[in-house]
Amino acid sequence: GQQLNQSPQSMFIQEGEDVSMNCTSSSIFNTWLWYKQEPGEGPVLLIALYKAGELTSNGRLTAQFGITRKDSFLNISASIPSDVGIYFCAGRGGSNYKLTFGKGTLLTVNP
Amino acid sequence: SAVISQKPSRDICQRGTSLTIQCQVDSQVTMMFWYRQQPGQSLTLIATANQGSEATYESGFVIDKFPISRPNLTFSTLTVSNMSPEDSSIYLCSVWGGELFFGEGSRLTVL
Repeated sequence: GQQLNQSPQSMFIQEGEDVSMNCTSSSIFNTWLWYKQEPGEGPVLLIALYKAGELTSNGRLTAQFGITRKDSFLNISASIPSDVGIYFCAGRGGSNYKLTFGKGTLLTVNP
Repeated sequence: SAVISQKPSRDICQRGTSLTIQCQVDSQVTMMFWYRQQPGQSLTLIATANQGSEATYESGFVIDKFPISRPNLTFSTLTVSNMSPEDSSIYLCSVWGGELFFGEGSRLTVL
């Protein structure tokens, strides 16, 4: 089956720093999604990408759909303490609704 | 996006018992799904809850262990049957609303 490799597994940064995380796949995806999960909550959709090469921003967050359709990255600029959480990438390879999730990147921001 | 409410939000259960999780959506949705998130892990799709028919289960999940109901377009239940400590997880209801959106999750601990 399809697998996603998400890295890094965890990050511990200082407030104000920029953050970058990425996902790679052995298969081609038609859609890449990035979710954030805070403690005690369900995942919340941050950014959705639908075209190879697409670069999309949501406030301080920027994500790109890789040209090869096998990777995506998420950048967070000028991190703040409320950015703390687990960030998941997810990919969709066909026309159905099924998503394959990465294992998540745990982000800790030190004030 | 739709508001997705799950009950219970958390529970502690005894080995061998069963627990039913409810998912209520504030609008009619065609597609509803149940995911499992084991401690420190990513999200795994259990099944698609089909309205008016039997759920469609993913590989590794069976109806006897995870019976699902979907009586209408706004409600679904997932039962975790004959629980063991390995069933301790977050169970997440999700709906298709142009993309996949999640409830806040039900955190089960099995002793």
